[in-house]
Parts: sequence; C-alpha cells; structure tokens
Amino acid sequence: DGGITQSPKYLFRKEGQNVTLSCEQNLNHDAMYWYRQDPGQGLRLIYYSQIVNDFQKGDIAEGYSVSREKKESFPLTVTSAQKNPTAFYLCASSETGGVTALHFGNGTRLTVT
Amino acid sequence: QQQVKQSPQSLIVQKGGISIINCAYENTAFDYFPWYQQFPGKGPALLIAIRPDVSEKKEGRFTISFNKSAKQFSLHIMDSQPGDSATYFCAARFKAAGNKLTFGGGTRVLVKP
Repeated sequence: DGGITQSPKYLFRKEGQNVTLSCEQNLNHDAMYWYRQDPGQGLRLIYYSQIVNDFQKGDIAEGYSVSREKKESFPLTVTSAQKNPTAFYLCASSETGGVTALHFGNGTRLTVT
Repeated sequence: QQQVKQSPQSLIVQKGGISIINCAYENTAFDYFPWYQQFPGKGPALLIAIRPDVSEKKEGRFTISFNKSAKQFSLHIMDSQPGDSATYFCAARFKAAGNKLTFGGGTRVLVKP
C-alpha cells in the first residue's frame, strides 16, 4: 500500500532536548510538507520541500529544522528554541505540477514537559 | 495572519440533518479550494475540492458552494450520518507557491443518532 508513514505515534521529551520526527513516503511524490496542528488553529505550515536537497520555510519555521536528502524522507527536528513544541505534527506529500491533493500521514503527537 | 477563516468551530446535527460549514478568504490569487476530513488520531484526508470557475460541486452527500465575488465557500453535508462525525478543514492554494495549502481553523462536527 502506498502512503506516508510517521513515527513514532507518540513522543515524549524533556524541555531543552532536541527531537526528530520521522516521515517516509512511498508515493513517489516530489513535494513534502510539515504541518503543526493545535486545537482551534487548523494546520499551520512549518516547512516544505518541492525537490530533493531543497526546502523552504513555511509560516511558523522558527525553532524547527528539516532535511531532504532522499525523495522518500523528510525528517523534522524540533529544537530547544521552539517555545511551545507540544502539538500534533502532520507530514504530507504531493505531486508537483498542476493541482493535486496533499496526502497526509497519521501524525506524531509530541509532548514536551 | 489567518488568510482563510472558517466557521463555526463546532456544530451538532441530528442524523439525517444538514451540516453547513463556511469559509472566507482574502487572497484573490487562491485558485483551488479543497476540503479535508479528519478523524481523531488520524491525518486529514481529501474529501472534495473546487476551482473558482465553478459555483458548485457535488460528490454524493457532500456539496461545495463557491461565491467568487464574496470570496466565500461552504461545505454542505446532506443526510448527515454518525460516521460523518469528524473535524472538517477548508483550505486554499496560492498558485505561485506550488501545492502549499493555507488551512482554516477547522470545524468539529458531531452527528447525533
């Protein structure tokens, strides 16, 4: 089955620690995205990448970093500089060119205490 | 700055009733308006989408109405079923930014049997 795999589903960290969220896709999509979901605020874009070895900041990139070394993978690091890291993080992918849907993974819920 | 405003934040409807969710946007450069459905603990999934040159699109019990002059669009769920209980997000795509989507704040729909 083609899809997006996010792991782990739940992640707990102590304040001050960096943490990396995994996102892998086997849809052969060029573009990948990271969104953050908070209650009542919808989904906000953190970073996106339209091609390997290239990525752009979204609306709330501060305190986050990404890499795109392989087409299938787009890991997100939540650094200690992120002031409110506890949230539900969603990874998505899409084809490029024309208008296509975003395909989402099932998310990682990060709790930082 | 939230470029897509969604209302209401939540709604309760009886089985068989009509659920109506409204969205308004500001940027006239948006060219694609999808709706996503999200169940608890899962990622959003594309439900239905519309382009601004069409005033209405229907897929089964789901209909999008689009008013370009008012910069508003809405989702109607006809004959609502308990299985429709989910959170619904409207979104808009800015053509110049590839398939990057801006999301509304979400509406939690509860269909009572």
